[in-house]
Amino acid sequence: DQQVKQNSPSLSVQEGRISILNCDYTNSMFDYFLWYKKYPAEGPTFLISISSIKDKNEDGRFTVFLNKSAKHLSLHIVPSQPGDSAVYFCASAIQGAQKLVFGQGTRLTINP
Amino acid sequence: DAGVIQSPRHEVTEMGQEVTLRCKPISGHNSLFWYRQTMMRGLELLIYFNNNVPIDDSGMPEDRFSAKMPNASFSTLKIQPSEPRDSAVYFCASSVRGGAGNTIYFGEGSWLTVV
Repeated sequence: DQQVKQNSPSLSVQEGRISILNCDYTNSMFDYFLWYKKYPAEGPTFLISISSIKDKNEDGRFTVFLNKSAKHLSLHIVPSQPGDSAVYFCASAIQGAQKLVFGQGTRLTINP
Repeated sequence: DAGVIQSPRHEVTEMGQEVTLRCKPISGHNSLFWYRQTMMRGLELLIYFNNNVPIDDSGMPEDRFSAKMPNASFSTLKIQPSEPRDSAVYFCASSVRGGAGNTIYFGEGSWLTVV
């Protein structure tokens, strides 16, 4: 059973527009959420996180939104740039615990 | 600063052979994780250690998989015997227990192909 789901395997967005990546989770115990970015032939790198006490966290062009009642989070990238082309993984955890549960990933392609 | 170091980067082996993947965590990190990436399931946690002690190995798929952490700077993931369905990218990651949120730092991965 997949506790964290990213239902879109891929997404294509034009440069300069907004990219929205979605993630759903099933475990109501999760209270900390992260997004990782992965380029080919590299390991995933941390991008942005949010605690369940918030519903939004912003870092430059990246904003993560959390809807606890729907068990849904999203990552917004605006404006999208070609360097944002990568696979994005969302991850969920119980804060303070070591275990991160990842989704399947979404491959984002930014077209010039 | 050196990140998480994994070896080998690529491994091609025949079915039935033993495979050993190696990992050196970031110095000072006391938690170490082994993940496997596949198309269908994304990043799956196989096992993690705190202070060299295995804490959760519920993700290890079968008895063919084993992991050890003999000291704070080295860990191995062994598959014996290997099967074609084990072909995947295996990532090692480390973190500071109790550090910033749940952020963990990944190595570049070991690409395993079992033919």
